Amino acid sequence: GQNIDQPTEMTATEGAIVQINCTYQTSGFNGLFWYQQHAGEAPTFLSYNVLDGLEEKGRFSSFLSRSKGYSYLLLKELQMKDSASYLCAVSDSNYQLIWGAGTKLIIKP
Amino acid sequence: EAQVTQNPRYLITVTGKKLTVTCSQNMNHEYMSWYRQDPGLGLRQIYYSMNVEVTDKGDVPEGYKVSRKEKRNFPLILESPSPNQTSLYFCASPTKGQYLHQPQHFGDGTRLSIL
Repeated sequence: GQNIDQPTEMTATEGAIVQINCTYQTSGFNGLFWYQQHAGEAPTFLSYNVLDGLEEKGRFSSFLSRSKGYSYLLLKELQMKDSASYLCAVSDSNYQLIWGAGTKLIIKP
Repeated sequence: EAQVTQNPRYLITVTGKKLTVTCSQNMNHEYMSWYRQDPGLGLRQIYYSMNVEVTDKGDVPEGYKVSRKEKRNFPLILESPSPNQTSLYFCASPTKGQYLHQPQHFGDGTRLSIL
């Protein structure tokens, strides 16, 4: 079966750096997405990786290793507003999205 | 501005009373989909549509129906709702053009409670 694993919850301190991991086993691979979702709101797109390596976008970076079935989202200079759930999703061989359950990130002052 | 609009945002209803959640997008996109989100389970796709009059089951289609009579609208129908359909529902469409490789743009969500 297809599977995406992420930690359920993480805690970090304002101003620090946090890395949220995502491992996947899917039927084919056509890219990996990261979304941010604040409580009670819709997910919003953060990043897309289809080739191995690091994609940097401001304070957020996303890394992909296709051979390892592994990705991480790196958040730098954490702010209180970064408290949210972070969802990892993989596009499979049929371009259907397989979603992880999400990682709830708690930022403490 | 690209928009996916869902209505209603909140609904409390009773078992067996038919309901429809509407979804419309102003991007003229072919692909639209419905998800439900439950704690600890993440987003699960209910149905998707690749174009007008073309719909397919997702991972959890039981108890739901959809229709795609025109490109902009993709309503979700619960003919006989049951308490296990209490959930947060999202409609989505790609941010641009075809669904391939494109991030999804989500509606604001519909919180549905079935008593």
